[in-house]
Amino acid sequence: EDKVVQSPLSLVVHEGDTVTLNCSYEVTNFRSLLWYKQEKKAPTFLFMLTSSGIEKKSGRLSSILDKKELFSILNITATQTGDSAIYLCAVLNQGAQKLVFGQGTRLTINP
Amino acid sequence: NAGVTQTPKFRVLKTGQSMTLLCAQDMNHEYMYWYRQDPGMGLRLIHYSVGEGTTAKGEVPDGYNVSRLKKQNFLLGLESAAPSQTSVYFCASSYTRGQGRTDTQYFGPGTRLTVL
Repeated sequence: EDKVVQSPLSLVVHEGDTVTLNCSYEVTNFRSLLWYKQEKKAPTFLFMLTSSGIEKKSGRLSSILDKKELFSILNITATQTGDSAIYLCAVLNQGAQKLVFGQGTRLTINP
Repeated sequence: NAGVTQTPKFRVLKTGQSMTLLCAQDMNHEYMYWYRQDPGMGLRLIHYSVGEGTTAKGEVPDGYNVSRLKKQNFLLGLESAAPSQTSVYFCASSYTRGQGRTDTQYFGPGTRLTVL
């Protein structure tokens, strides 16, 4: 059965800090890994990763995938209070039509 | 272009009552999904559909039924609500994979359901 585990489950830091969120997975026939940000309502898409070692970047957020060690990290530099959210990681296998989500990491940025 | 919409936004039911949640998307997506989200559990897939007239069970299907009579709509039904079904329900949609299309799922705003 496909499985996604995120760590830590909860993280509290001060504004300006850099954070690293982790996502490890077990999936038969991996196709892609996706990161989402969820504030008060619906998850919004951040990144999709399919190849090892290629960093995806958007402003202060970046993510990379390691298909050999079966994990991905999401980095946020110079954090702001607006980065406070739940960050969700999900994987898709080649044969399935559905994403498998991790439990999420609740990130809180204190001013 | 409204994206994915859900109705209602909030609902309170008594145990044993029934209701239907409606999801609509205007992006011409083939795939549609229903998830529930509970604290500390992430998103768990209830049912999904890969096209009009087809549905399949997800991770937690018991107590729910779905229908996809039109491509743009996906209905989630609770025939006899139970307190364990108190949750936030999200609908999502995506393109068929392949042909260079992204695997991204687009989510609706959610429905908060409380069963007393």
